Amino acid sequence: QKEVEQNSGPLSVPEGAIASLNCTYSDRGSQSFFWYRQYSGKSPELIMFIYSNGDKEDGRFTAQLNKASQYVSLLIRDSQPSDSATYLCAVILINTGNQFYFGTGTSLTVIP
Amino acid sequence: KAGVTQTPRYLIKTRGQQVTLSCSPISGHRSVSWYQQTPGQGLQFLFEYFSETQRNKGNFPGRFSGRQFSNSRSEMNVSTLELGDSALYLCASSLLGMNTEAFFGQGTRLTVV
Repeated sequence: QKEVEQNSGPLSVPEGAIASLNCTYSDRGSQSFFWYRQYSGKSPELIMFIYSNGDKEDGRFTAQLNKASQYVSLLIRDSQPSDSATYLCAVILINTGNQFYFGTGTSLTVIP
Repeated sequence: KAGVTQTPRYLIKTRGQQVTLSCSPISGHRSVSWYQQTPGQGLQFLFEYFSETQRNKGNFPGRFSGRQFSNSRSEMNVSTLELGDSALYLCASSLLGMNTEAFFGQGTRLTVV
């Protein structure tokens, strides 16, 4: 099992819909979880980080963390064509000495 | 406010050579972390430096090393380059550490021939 797993997609949603991106991780003791967005040819940019179980909202983005089930998700409400990008989930795994692991990314396309 | 600056942007090296990449963090940030991104392996963590000390390290061979200076600028060195080292090398700076909000530079594209 990989340390962090994401569905590679591609995921396509119509404009205005909710996009749901999911990520699972292997280390039950992990404390820090991140979602990055990466446009083609650009560097990753942080969307959100979450440490505690539950939901964290920032504008159209909501991160959901469930430590018992070892998954973290990202919901994008009112999806816009400008949201079309690859979304990377990242986790700091404690059992490997605080190493930062990234998923392979989910490619999202928002169709106008 | 200036962002994270990486130099050079592009580099071509020959197998067996060594290379040094530079990263200037956002002013006031004490943490610099380095990553390798390839189409096959995705984004992989190399190491993190905080206040001139290596704080965390990923699973890369000893040919990959780094350091951080008192002004928080960081360098990454790769010795005895291999073709598989061809990648985009990214650094990210953070005020408090890589487990908090971090900002990426534009990266250095290294090609080993």
